[in-house]
Amino acid sequence: DIQMTQSPSSLSASVGDRVTITCQASQDISNYLNWYQQKPGKAPKLLIYDASNLETGVPSRFSGSGSGTDFTFTISSLQPEDIATYYCQQYDNLPTLTFGGGTKVEIK
Amino acid sequence: QLQLQESGPGLVKPSETLSLTCTVSGGSISSSSYYWGWIRQPPGKGLEWIGSIYYSGSTYYNPSLKSRVTISVDTSKNQFSLKLSSVTAADTAVYYCAMYAGTFHFDYWGQGTLVTVSS
Repeated sequence: DIQMTQSPSSLSASVGDRVTITCQASQDISNYLNWYQQKPGKAPKLLIYDASNLETGVPSRFSGSGSGTDFTFTISSLQPEDIATYYCQQYDNLPTLTFGGGTKVEIK
Repeated sequence: QLQLQESGPGLVKPSETLSLTCTVSGGSISSSSYYWGWIRQPPGKGLEWIGSIYYSGSTYYNPSLKSRVTISVDTSKNQFSLKLSSVTAADTAVYYCAMYAGTFHFDYWGQGTLVTVSS
């Protein structure tokens, strides 16, 4: 099974800060990685697919990069509405889908 | 625009079977190349994929839950269902139904339903 390790598990940053979250796969997953945002009490929302493609309608301050085993999710300028938990999800090991443990983003 | 809605008991006794249904509106559950899946999230914890069913009827389960999970489709009602047997307190979670296509990212989600396992 492929394990997805996200770090950090939580972070606190100021409005306007650049925020970076990493996701590491236990084996090469090419670019088969997605990123979701989950706000409290809500279902997750897709932000980035195939490691670096921005979903339609998602603000351009969100971006993703990486391939193989190491991936990065970035918020270029943190906004108050970005307070949420962010998850990566791999789909290399089909049909099994695996999520990372999540990163909770808070405002300092 | 697809909409998904989970329904089912909010309380299940230990050792019994958890049963949930997801009703799909705004589109056909028989549409080609769509996968219909279940994901759960224990309180305060992360997301776990439970399993999926393809429009053709093929099913795929998380290996860690495979022995206890059954996912099925009722095309006449535009619904798909989850059954999880022999539940314990560890199965207490918000259960989401969701849809994805061949790109394997979840495009549409239900609002989620909390299922508590307790006597």
